[in-house]
Amino acid sequence: DSGVTQTPKHLITATGQRVTLRCSPRSGDLSVYWYQQSLDQGLQFLIQYYNGEERAKGNILERFSAQQFPDLHSELNLSSLELGDSALYFCASSVTPGRAYEQYFGPGTRLTVT
Amino acid sequence: AQSVAQPEDQVNVAEGNPLTVKCTYSVSGNPYLFWYVQYPNRGLQFLLKYITGDNLVKGSYGFEAEFNKSQTSFHLKKPSALVSDSALYFCAVRAPPKGGGADGLTFGKGTHLIIQP
Repeated sequence: DSGVTQTPKHLITATGQRVTLRCSPRSGDLSVYWYQQSLDQGLQFLIQYYNGEERAKGNILERFSAQQFPDLHSELNLSSLELGDSALYFCASSVTPGRAYEQYFGPGTRLTVT
Repeated sequence: AQSVAQPEDQVNVAEGNPLTVKCTYSVSGNPYLFWYVQYPNRGLQFLLKYITGDNLVKGSYGFEAEFNKSQTSFHLKKPSALVSDSALYFCAVRAPPKGGGADGLTFGKGTHLIIQP
């Protein structure tokens, strides 16, 4: 158990809908990362937050957004969902960015868009 | 831009034999390199990392990895494979941070490691 929690574990929704994925980082970790794992794209970095502020963006679509709250939990919002958004979404956390700390991953949320 | 290549989709090894999972990378400057393992329906688990120093790094579950700067490689190794090592292995790279900049990981496509009894 990495100490990173994600809810829900599974999510099934229809095209055009909006969903919110939730992540709680390990105790003491200030930085949160979101990744998408799909069969065709592999594991891709989406976005990073540090202590409530956006730090970096990767291959994140404009339909997707995220935020980190004062208690450090983070939410990833996916809107206008398409079939191709079906994937496993991981949250990871680390103590702080800008250092050689490894990232610890949560169990993921499996999103199925029908 | 940084990239990671894992040239083998699958590696088959008999239990008790040594194993190697290959990884090569491309990044500007000195790399930070990581290996993660993913079991079915689970998240990624950190195995080991290379930041600086000794080219041979040791990690969890008896795994080790050798950093080779001239060949831009970071191969994962284990002297004696166990059936329980069967999983999906990912190599990842991150460019050294500058002033607290972005440090999302760039992953390879993964290698399925199958250990046969």
